[in-house]
Amino acid sequence: AQSVTQLDSQVPVFEEAPVELRCNYSSSVSVYLFWYVQYPNQGLQLLLKYLSGSTLVKGINGFEAEFNKSQTSFHLRKPSVHISDTAEYFCAVSDRGSTLGRLYFGRGTQLTVWP
Amino acid sequence: EAQVTQNPRYLITVTGKKLTVTCSQNMNHEYMSWYRQDPGLGLRQIYYSMNVEVTDKGDVPEGYKVSRKEKRNFPLILESPSPNQTSLYFCASSLGRQTEAFFGQGTRLTVV
Repeated sequence: AQSVTQLDSQVPVFEEAPVELRCNYSSSVSVYLFWYVQYPNQGLQLLLKYLSGSTLVKGINGFEAEFNKSQTSFHLRKPSVHISDTAEYFCAVSDRGSTLGRLYFGRGTQLTVWP
Repeated sequence: EAQVTQNPRYLITVTGKKLTVTCSQNMNHEYMSWYRQDPGLGLRQIYYSMNVEVTDKGDVPEGYKVSRKEKRNFPLILESPSPNQTSLYFCASSLGRQTEAFFGQGTRLTVV
């Protein structure tokens, strides 16, 4: 089974500052990687995903993430955050070689953007 | 509009009273899953299904049942709910393992 670690449970930041949300996974096999966002009282929606190719992936709302195979990391970044980015962010992985399509989630990082 | 619909959104029930949370998707997705979300624990998978009549346990299946008689529906059944099943539940569906999972709006269940 996969294990996903989100290193920070809470990240407070001021508006227009850059932010990085960290994600590490433990796997001996190749994986697909995802970041999801959950706004208050809503379900999760996909921010971005890495399947193959370029290790720098761009997503919605100005977010990007970089896949680092040697460090088994997939950190999420945004150069300048807005109040509206306040939400909980989840990193998730699935095994490439598995037909099961299971997603394994980290425990989440609450991003709070202050004015 | 492509969506995953869960019902009800909110439910308060008493210990031991059987309940069903429904989940329906209109995207013809093969994969469907149920998760529970608890503070500090993230999302944990309860059950998943790869197709009609094909289901398997996730990480926390105890106390839950599922069925997949039709492709679009994947109900979650609590035969005898207990207070430790108080949680926020999400249903999700996807076309395949490389593709985006679509989530429902969630069902907040309280068992007293």
